[in-house]
Amino acid sequence: ELKVEQNPLFLSMQEGKNYTIYCNYSTTSDRLYWYRQDPGKSLESLFVLLSNGAVKQEGRLMASLDTKARLSTLHITAAVHDLSATYFCAVWGVGNDMRFGAGTRLTVKP
Amino acid sequence: SAVISQKPSRDICQRGTSLTIQCQVDSQVTMMFWYRQQPGQSLTLIATANQGSEATYESGFVIDKFPISRPNLTFSTLTVSNMSPEDSSIYLCSVGAGGSNQPQHFGDGTRLSIL
Repeated sequence: ELKVEQNPLFLSMQEGKNYTIYCNYSTTSDRLYWYRQDPGKSLESLFVLLSNGAVKQEGRLMASLDTKARLSTLHITAAVHDLSATYFCAVWGVGNDMRFGAGTRLTVKP
Repeated sequence: SAVISQKPSRDICQRGTSLTIQCQVDSQVTMMFWYRQQPGQSLTLIATANQGSEATYESGFVIDKFPISRPNLTFSTLTVSNMSPEDSSIYLCSVGAGGSNQPQHFGDGTRLSIL
């Protein structure tokens, strides 16, 4: 069964600092997704990563995928308050379904 | 990207009653998914609903408790039956990616509280 582990679960950052969120998964997959969820809201898609070595960037967020290590990272550069949210990674399984990590609750402080 | 309308957006229900949640998509999709998100938790897949076949339920979820209908390629319903306080969650409808390079899209969710 596909397991998705995400860490850290809670992250408090100062504005302007950098940090990385990690997502490990247990079985082979060819698709990995990153989502953002604001309190009381639904999920917003950030990135879709499909191949080994894939790297995508949007603003202060950059995601990468290493399929051999079964690891994805979401790197935050020069954090700003607007990035405060919960970030989920999700992996597409062989059963044609998507499994989510536990989520990282990010708080960016001035 | 698909636009998903989910109704109701929230409800407060009495213990022992049932509630049906509707999910309408603005385009035809093969796969629809129902997730549960308990307070402060991640998303857990309840079932996958494909048009023309019985829904496939994940471990820990059964049809008697969460019956699902999928009458056509743009609509699905999830019923939460005989509700108890433990069923208080957000229930989210999601549609499969149009292609492997597309994200899975989510409705706004139904926030359900059981008294």
